[in-house]
Amino acid sequence: DVKVTQSSRYLVKRTGEKVFLECVQDMDHENMFWYRQDPGLGLRLIYFSYDVKMKEKGDIPEGYSVSREKKERFSLILESASTNQTSMYLCASSSGGSNQPQHFGDGTRLSIL
Amino acid sequence: TQLLEQSPQFLSIQEGENLTVYCNSSSVFSSLQWYRQEPGEGPVLLVTVVTGGEVKKLKRLTFQFGDARKDSSLHITAAQPGDTGLYLCAGIPSLAGNNRKLIWGLGTSLAVNP
Repeated sequence: DVKVTQSSRYLVKRTGEKVFLECVQDMDHENMFWYRQDPGLGLRLIYFSYDVKMKEKGDIPEGYSVSREKKERFSLILESASTNQTSMYLCASSSGGSNQPQHFGDGTRLSIL
Repeated sequence: TQLLEQSPQFLSIQEGENLTVYCNSSSVFSSLQWYRQEPGEGPVLLVTVVTGGEVKKLKRLTFQFGDARKDSSLHITAAQPGDTGLYLCAGIPSLAGNNRKLIWGLGTSLAVNP
């Protein structure tokens, strides 16, 4: 079974802090994704990566950056956290090729105070 | 504009009832995927439909892809409390330049009461 592990289930930070969310997958997947999930807004793609050191902006990249130094690890960085970044953050991975499913971690519920 | 429209948004039914959830678009999709998400967890893939008119069954769940590949439905027979969750459809538009990025519906939140 594919395992996608997110470093924290719950996280509380203060406005202005730099926040790191880590995600690791164990299936040698090429693609990795960061989403946020908010009531009424569904899943929104922040950034994705299709190879080591490669990244592409998703639909809502503002206020975020990412890092993929190794194939198995994809980090999401909130450069200066703000209260409107309070959300559920979900990491996913998928193998290359079309129609491949995404495998998700259990999410990090982040609160910015 | 939401490319994938899911309906209904919320559904609360009694155990044993049947239900259908819809995922509609004006665009053609190369495939559609259905996921279920339980509280406190990430979405988990249920099925992928690829061919227009395709029907797939997963125990009491029946998935159908429209002939024109613009819509899909999920039918649950004799719902059980364990079916409770958020049902999400997602797909890649046929004309999309990037085939890695899924388009997501907003989901149908299903509650099955004992």
